[in-house]
Amino acid sequence: SQTIHQWPATLVQPVGSPLSLECTVEGTSNPNLYWYRQAAGRGLQLLFYSVGIGQISSEVPQNLSASRPQDRQFILSSKKLLLSDSGFYLCAGQRWGNTEAFFGQGTRLTVV
Amino acid sequence: AQSVTQLDSQVPVFEEAPVELRCNYSSSVSVYLFWYVQYPNQGLQLLLKYLSGSTLVKGINGFEAEFNKSQTSFHLRKPSVHISDTAEYFCAVRAAGNKLTFGGGTRVLVKP
Repeated sequence: SQTIHQWPATLVQPVGSPLSLECTVEGTSNPNLYWYRQAAGRGLQLLFYSVGIGQISSEVPQNLSASRPQDRQFILSSKKLLLSDSGFYLCAGQRWGNTEAFFGQGTRLTVV
Repeated sequence: AQSVTQLDSQVPVFEEAPVELRCNYSSSVSVYLFWYVQYPNQGLQLLLKYLSGSTLVKGINGFEAEFNKSQTSFHLRKPSVHISDTAEYFCAVRAAGNKLTFGGGTRVLVKP
């Protein structure tokens, strides 16, 4: 079965510091990959979507970027964090030819 | 473009009572429909999905949902809830070849 590994589980970062969240996939090849953000009291906001290595679609203008250097690796980054970047970040994968997504356990980011 | 609306942001319910969570979607093409559950500080787990065929779909933990094409709805139900059903529930849609789009979520609080 497919699994998403996300780390770290929690992170506290000062405003203006850089960010790198990593997500890796096991159990499937060539998955579609997603980064979502869940702010307090809100639903899931799709941030980035990738169908393959080096292919990234950005859903909303923001302070974040994403990269996919390998088939099963998806990285969320920022050069300078803002307070508004705080939230719960979820990485998700979707196996090729499959319909539903499988999720990592999430990273809770607090920008102080 | 596709979108999902979950009509209730919070649903309080007493233990052993029934619960219904409402979900409406819009899409210009046929879609796949999903319900996910999220327990505190965790990722999302798939409860059930509708791909085709019977409009009544049964999922894990005693949940079921009914697809209504004319009303573009996919409401989730459980005849008798437990304390352990306290969680946030997300409805999602995906058109073939498209990304997964989530609703805003419904928080279910089961009271003893």
